[in-house]
Amino acid sequence: EDKVVQSPLSLVVHEGDTVTLNCSYEVTNFRSLLWYKQEKKAPTFLFMLTSSGIEKKSGRLSSILDKKELFSILNITATQTGDSAIYLCAGGIQGAQKLVFGQGTRLTINP
Amino acid sequence: GAGVSQTPSNKVTEKGKYVELRCDPISGHTALYWYRQSLGQGPEFLIYFQGTGAADDSGLPNDRFFAVRPEGSVSTLKIQRTERGDSAVYLCASSLSGQGAYGYTFGSGTRLTVV
Repeated sequence: EDKVVQSPLSLVVHEGDTVTLNCSYEVTNFRSLLWYKQEKKAPTFLFMLTSSGIEKKSGRLSSILDKKELFSILNITATQTGDSAIYLCAGGIQGAQKLVFGQGTRLTINP
Repeated sequence: GAGVSQTPSNKVTEKGKYVELRCDPISGHTALYWYRQSLGQGPEFLIYFQGTGAADDSGLPNDRFFAVRPEGSVSTLKIQRTERGDSAVYLCASSLSGQGAYGYTFGSGTRLTVV
């Protein structure tokens, strides 16, 4: 059965800290690894990774995929209170359209 | 439309009742997806439409759940004989055809509460 596991489940840090969120996956016919940010109800797209070792970056956020170790991380530097959200990781499957999501990491940034 | 629109945003119903949840995808997106997100969990796949047909309904939990997309645009998720365990946020998403593995755009969801 395809599975995505995120850690930690919850993280509380102070504004300005750097955080690393982890995602491991066991997905048959793996195609892609996606990160989403969920603040209220709608998850919003952050990154899509398909190749190992190539960092994707957007402002203070960056992510990288390791297809040998079946692992991805999401880094956020100089965190702000607006970064408080649930961060979801999902695996995409070759030949299928559904995504397999992890349970999410709830990140809280305190001022 | 500009984004994926879901109505209602919140729905409270009594156990045993029938509910319909509506999704209006992004214009031009032929692929449409329904997910269910229980409290403290990630979204769980329910069903995927390509055009009017359900291409993958493997995630529907039982025969009380049914979804349609008669004209290849708006979709309705129907739940019969609702149970308290059906309480969750129901998310709809859409994408261009065949692009699901590259991510899609989600709507704001319908929070269903069965009392």
